[in-house]
Amino acid sequence: GAVVSQHPSWVICKSGTSVKIECRSLDFQATTMFWYRQFPKQSLMLMATSNEGSKATYEQGVEKDKFLINHASLTLSTLTVTSAHPEDSSFYICSANGDITSSGNTIYFGEGSWLTVV
Amino acid sequence: QKEVEQDPGPLSVPEGAIVSLNCTYSNSAFQYFMWYRQYSRKGPELLMYTYSSGNKEDGRFTAQVDKSSKYISLFIRDSQPSDSATYLCAMSVGFQKLVFGTGTRLLVSP
Repeated sequence: GAVVSQHPSWVICKSGTSVKIECRSLDFQATTMFWYRQFPKQSLMLMATSNEGSKATYEQGVEKDKFLINHASLTLSTLTVTSAHPEDSSFYICSANGDITSSGNTIYFGEGSWLTVV
Repeated sequence: QKEVEQDPGPLSVPEGAIVSLNCTYSNSAFQYFMWYRQYSRKGPELLMYTYSSGNKEDGRFTAQVDKSSKYISLFIRDSQPSDSATYLCAMSVGFQKLVFGTGTRLLVSP
């Protein structure tokens, strides 16, 4: 079945530095990918919608200059957390839409990336 | 009021029990309804996907959608300790942006 791969799974960075998280669709093309963040014991909150070849659409309250999203190809979207601070520490998860006409899995999630800013 | 309401639990049941997980929602435009299972520190895994109202069964899992009541359910038969996880309901209007419930933590004891 289709798989979405996220890298890295874990990352620790110093406050003030930037960190990049990659989201890849391994065996299907994804014109749209989504980035979520999840704080402990809370649900997933959509941060932005990543569109291949165009600018991302950010949800209200999400700083687009802080969370840079690039979707340069049909199989890769990246999220860069710039000038990271401890409050940015969270679980970041991407998802991608597969073939809407197929039965079963049609929205695929990556395994997530744990970011800890120290 | 949140768009999607879900009891966070935890819900503790003995092995073999029938589990009922539920969500209510307020947006009548939602058409796609999903249930995800999430193990600790892992990404969500899609269990069931339903379009509009009705029931859908897959093995031990049954998903029900009642759009008139804005209420969806996931039933797990013959629950196993390996079913212990957080179950998230999610829904969307056009199968794009998902709105998630807070998740219900399920504990199945042997």
